[in-house]
Amino acid sequence: DAGVIQSPRHEVTEMGQEVTLRCKPISGHNSLFWYRQTMMRGLELLIYFNNNVPIDDSGMPEDRFSAKMPNASFSTLKIQPSEPRDSAVYFCASSGGVRETQYFGPGTRLLVL
Amino acid sequence: SQQGEEDPQALSIQEGENATMNCSYKTSINNLQWYRQNSGRGLVHLILIRSNEREKHSGRLRVTLDTSKKSSSLLITASRAADTASYFCATDVAGNQFYFGTGTSLTVIP
Repeated sequence: DAGVIQSPRHEVTEMGQEVTLRCKPISGHNSLFWYRQTMMRGLELLIYFNNNVPIDDSGMPEDRFSAKMPNASFSTLKIQPSEPRDSAVYFCASSGGVRETQYFGPGTRLLVL
Repeated sequence: SQQGEEDPQALSIQEGENATMNCSYKTSINNLQWYRQNSGRGLVHLILIRSNEREKHSGRLRVTLDTSKKSSSLLITASRAADTASYFCATDVAGNQFYFGTGTSLTVIP
């Protein structure tokens, strides 16, 4: 298996622009997680899905952030409009169940100027 | 917060020495996991220990869990330069997903 795939790996954009991050989980995994990692705040869980359904989005910073999982093999995290404070590394992880081992993707390094 | 808290925040040792890092948490858990993150990479799962287990081994890794003290420790024996990374514990609250701690940054000096 190729593992969790994220794209793009790097994104540089200007404040106010829309940013879309993409994730392909490991085939057969039922749960998908979006995390954000910064030096100041560490690793934060933004939202997670179970069987394509959002279960807990309490970590989503504000309405500018939205996430979707239209099918079992694809998820997006969208930021609109983006702000400099959104600069971070965004990780997607998948697992066979909500409390099972999580497998992380390589991350998307986002820089908002 | 229900997150685990790792201690120390940073640790620097010589190659060949043992490295010990600790994790404390606040509420009862079902499982506790340890992950490693190399610089610029995603987290990689190391070991899972269940609440009814006290100790678990995997290669040079030894994990202990003390549910009465709500703490866990990760011991890396005979450390290598390649062990340089950040180490995170992740704790689950019954019926919920895992919460990651703030991590311990380990530097192994060749």
